[in-house]
Amino acid sequence: TQLLEQSPQFLSIQEGENLTVYCNSSSVFSSLQWYRQEPGEGPVLLVTVVTGGEVKKLKRLTFQFGDARKDSSLHITAAQPGDTGLYLCAGATITGKLIFGQGTTLQVKP
Amino acid sequence: NAGVTQTPKFRVLKTGQSMTLLCAQDMNHEYMYWYRQDPGMGLRLIHYSVGEGTTAKGEVPDGYNVSRLKKQNFLLGLESAAPSQTSVYFCATSDGINSPLHFGNGTRLTVT
Repeated sequence: TQLLEQSPQFLSIQEGENLTVYCNSSSVFSSLQWYRQEPGEGPVLLVTVVTGGEVKKLKRLTFQFGDARKDSSLHITAAQPGDTGLYLCAGATITGKLIFGQGTTLQVKP
Repeated sequence: NAGVTQTPKFRVLKTGQSMTLLCAQDMNHEYMYWYRQDPGMGLRLIHYSVGEGTTAKGEVPDGYNVSRLKKQNFLLGLESAAPSQTSVYFCATSDGINSPLHFGNGTRLTVT
């Protein structure tokens, strides 16, 4: 069974702090997707990383795909209350499956 | 442009009752999926479809059935609801295998 371990599961920080969310697996993925979900809504795609070592930036969010394509991280700089939500990573396997991590619930307090 | 629309938004069932969840998309995507989301367990794939008239089992298919009679609609059925099926159900679409997913806003189902 392929697993994607996401950590931490919960994070509560003050506005202005930095944070990093990790997704780790023993399996290789052809790509990795990051989603953000707000209460009462479905997940929305933030970014897809495809190449080992790839770094993508989306304003204050930085996404990195590990060199071996087994892990990924999401770093948020100077978090804002608007960043509050559930962050999900999803790895695309070479057999055509999409494996989701358990999610990280982020609360940013003003 | 509605994207992916799920109905109903909320439903309460008694054990043993049946119901159908409807997912409708106007994105012309071939692939459609049904997921369930439970606390601490992420999203788990129930069934999926790679095109009109096709369906396939996902990770947790037991107790559910699906149909894709039209390209734009994907139905999820519960024949005899159980409390273990209390969850939030999401429909999603994509334009290719492993392509990014477009989700509906979910159906919150409670089985008592």
